[in-house]
Order: sequence, then C-alpha cells, then structure tokens
Amino acid sequence: DTAVSQTPKYLVTQMGNDKSIKCEQNLGHDTMYWYKQDSKKFLKIMFSYNNKELIINETVPNRFSPKSPDKAHLNLHINSLELGDSAVYFCASSQPKVETQYFGPGTRLLVL
Amino acid sequence: EDQVTQSPEALRLQEGESSSLNCSYTVSGLRGLFWYRQDPGKGPEFLFTLYSAGEEKEKERLKATLTKKESFLHITAPKPEDSATYLCAGRYNNNDMRFGAGTRLTVKP
Repeated sequence: DTAVSQTPKYLVTQMGNDKSIKCEQNLGHDTMYWYKQDSKKFLKIMFSYNNKELIINETVPNRFSPKSPDKAHLNLHINSLELGDSAVYFCASSQPKVETQYFGPGTRLLVL
Repeated sequence: EDQVTQSPEALRLQEGESSSLNCSYTVSGLRGLFWYRQDPGKGPEFLFTLYSAGEEKEKERLKATLTKKESFLHITAPKPEDSATYLCAGRYNNNDMRFGAGTRLTVKP
C-alpha cells in the first residue's frame, strides 16, 4: 500500500510542450508539497498546499502551477517546458502540527 | 535566506567503522530539524525529527543529536546496507523546508 504515489515515474518530452505530473496520498494528510531535485541532488521546495493556503516558493517560474482536485491529490502542471526543467520532481505530504513529510518515489523529467 | 549546510559531501567507511555526519543550520525561525535517508532512485525516507537543543533520538545504528546551531547523525558500527545519501532539513516558518545537499555515505564490507 503506497502512501504517496506519483505518475508517471519517467517523463521524456520536447522543449515547449506542456505536461502534468500526478500525485496521490492515502495517508489522510492535509498538506501536500512539490519539490525539485536537480542534478546536484539538491532538494528545493516549490509549493506547499492545503485546502486553505497555497505557498509558492518565489523562485518558481509561473510556468509551474499546482492543482488540487481534492485533499488527496496535488498535481503539477508545467507549461512551455525548458531544458532547465529536467530534474526529479518529488511529491510529499504531511499532517499539520506533526510536520514530518512523507515523500513519493519521484518523477524523472527529461526535456530534450 | 535560511541555510542548511551538510558535511562532509561524501564519506567512505569500512564496515564497523563508526563516524558522524554534520548539519549546521540557520537558527532564527527554526521549527524543527529533520533527518532523511535517500537511496538511489527513490524518495527521501524519514528518520528523525529534533526540536530542541540537547534532544537525541536513536534508531538501530543511527543516533541524531541537536545543539544550538548544529545537528549530528552518528552511525555506530555501520553495515553496507547503511550506504545511502543522508539529508538534513530545517523547517522554518510558512511551511518552508530547507534541505542540505546531503552526505553520500558508502560503507564497504
């Protein structure tokens, strides 16, 4: 029983395309996150979101947008993909006041 | 900007050779200090949370400690299966989680 799942696991696409990555958690958590891990393995938070508040890392281009159809899902939409978007994207979730984040397996995005 | 810095970048140990990993962090606004383990091709796996100086937590061969400006992950008598990248992260206000670059640990049999 996977706690935090992501699809697809791998995504290879051309520059300029628009793509989405899906994330689902079955932990009953209220807050979900998206992270980007670059080639140097640095994990950087992109967004945190619960049903009341979206917090965006100010360095994230507005080509990236999170969309949450319900509390268990937080999808990541990326418009006009660029070469520099190639990275591993991780979804995570946590419960308020507990703060421990549980991560998904990652989506490896390669933009050609 | 809040900073989390880990050292060393890489560490190679013989099986059974104990050592420590270091994490230094920006003190102001810290709400919690986290340690994660990440295996190649996988997401980070939670290990410990520390909230106040002097706090210690243990799990098998791992022990995490926290001082006023640093955290240490002590590995006692490591085994090859302990090989992984260990990530330290500081949680700050506004749900801001800052990760260090990690220490890549290799334990040779």
